[in-house]
Amino acid sequence: QVQLVQSGAEVKKPGASVEVSCKASGYTFASSGISWVRQAPGQGLEWMGWITPYNGNTHYDQKFQGRVTMTTDTSTSTAYMELRSLRSDDTAVYYCARSSLRFYSDSSGYYSFYWFFDYWGRGTLVTVSS
Amino acid sequence: DIVMTQSPDSLAVSLGERATFNCKSSQSVLYSSNNKNYLAWYQQKPGQPPKLLIYWASIRESGVPDRFSGSGSGTDFTLTINSLQAEDVAVYYCQQYYTTPYTFGQGTKLEIK
Repeated sequence: QVQLVQSGAEVKKPGASVEVSCKASGYTFASSGISWVRQAPGQGLEWMGWITPYNGNTHYDQKFQGRVTMTTDTSTSTAYMELRSLRSDDTAVYYCARSSLRFYSDSSGYYSFYWFFDYWGRGTLVTVSS
Repeated sequence: DIVMTQSPDSLAVSLGERATFNCKSSQSVLYSSNNKNYLAWYQQKPGQPPKLLIYWASIRESGVPDRFSGSGSGTDFTLTINSLQAEDVAVYYCQQYYTTPYTFGQGTKLEIK
């Protein structure tokens, strides 16, 4: 069965960096896309960006540009999200989520995905506090 | 950015009755070339990640009970739960995947009356 297993909770000081991992199993990692979505305590869902493991292409929300890096290791079917220059308002649960419905884009010459999310990791709580 | 606005913020419905959730997008999420609405619905129970219920505005995800249904087009969408069950207590979110940044509504909290 499809599983996305995320790394454990982190506590960081303001200005530090955090890396969250998401290990996929039960499907062909390279044939799907991965997004990262965060949820501040008691708040709604906020999409941060996506990565397509088969070619490493990324797209980040402008809000996080310059602070976030998403990568994958296809040899271990693991996705990573690094967020730098942490602030207190980065305190949130960070989810990885899979997009599996894809199509071939003639305009780009690559596979792309329909970015709704059919499987989610259980989340990683990142707490930023001095 | 496309702003997704859900209503109401909270909803209390009796067991066995119908629950209706609304979602409005600030611009159309209907892609004319394929006539598809790029709109999904999720259910999130406390302490759990969201669960996909509906995509393309009306397609039920595999394994989702048929009491859940989605409708609407363009900018106005509805999620309906017929014959409410106790396990349906959750927060429900809509999400547009028409264009980046992909955005979610603020959520509607469903409780049992």
